[in-house]
Amino acid sequence: QQQVKQSPQSLIVQKGGISIINCAYENTAFDYFPWYQQFPGKGPALLIAIRPDVSEKKEGRFTISFNKSAKQFSLHIMDSQPGDSATYFCAAKGNAGNMLTFGGGTRLMVKP
Amino acid sequence: DVKVTQSSRYLVKRTGEKVFLECVQDMDHENMFWYRQDPGLGLRLIYFSYDVKMKEKGDIPEGYSVSREKKERFSLILESASTNQTSMYLCASQEGGNTEAFFGQGTRLTVV
Repeated sequence: QQQVKQSPQSLIVQKGGISIINCAYENTAFDYFPWYQQFPGKGPALLIAIRPDVSEKKEGRFTISFNKSAKQFSLHIMDSQPGDSATYFCAAKGNAGNMLTFGGGTRLMVKP
Repeated sequence: DVKVTQSSRYLVKRTGEKVFLECVQDMDHENMFWYRQDPGLGLRLIYFSYDVKMKEKGDIPEGYSVSREKKERFSLILESASTNQTSMYLCASQEGGNTEAFFGQGTRLTVV
């Protein structure tokens, strides 16, 4: 039983388009929501993170939108590039302990 | 540059063998984690450790054990490997709180 549900499992976007990945959670004790990016043959690496006291965080072409009442958050990649092709994981962490709970992952392919 | 190093990129083991996966971090982090990554299931936490000789079970500890004799080293042990343990194994370390978790490059284990 996944505590963080991620969709879609795979996504194909044209170069220059917007990639959108969604996550939903149940545990209201989660208070930190990072996104990790994983390239083939590599371990995941932190991309961007948000706390629930803000509704949006932007870093370059990457934006997290957070809806606390709906218990949902999403990653938007603007002007998607072929170099963004990777697997993306959303995650959540509670205020007790340091464990991250991950979503199932989204494999993004950006076509040139 | 921060580094988490896993001892093997690829391993092939026979059913029933005892398997050791080693992980070393050079960041003096208190927390270390072992995850397994399977398609569609994301990263699932097997065990974690918040101090030397301390360990806590994650979501899927059955069939695994861990050892942390030194702060920089965290080992995952498969007592008697089974085919359903064929997977990608990822080690991570983290300073604590809402800080970035750093991952190793992963070990792809195949049990035949």
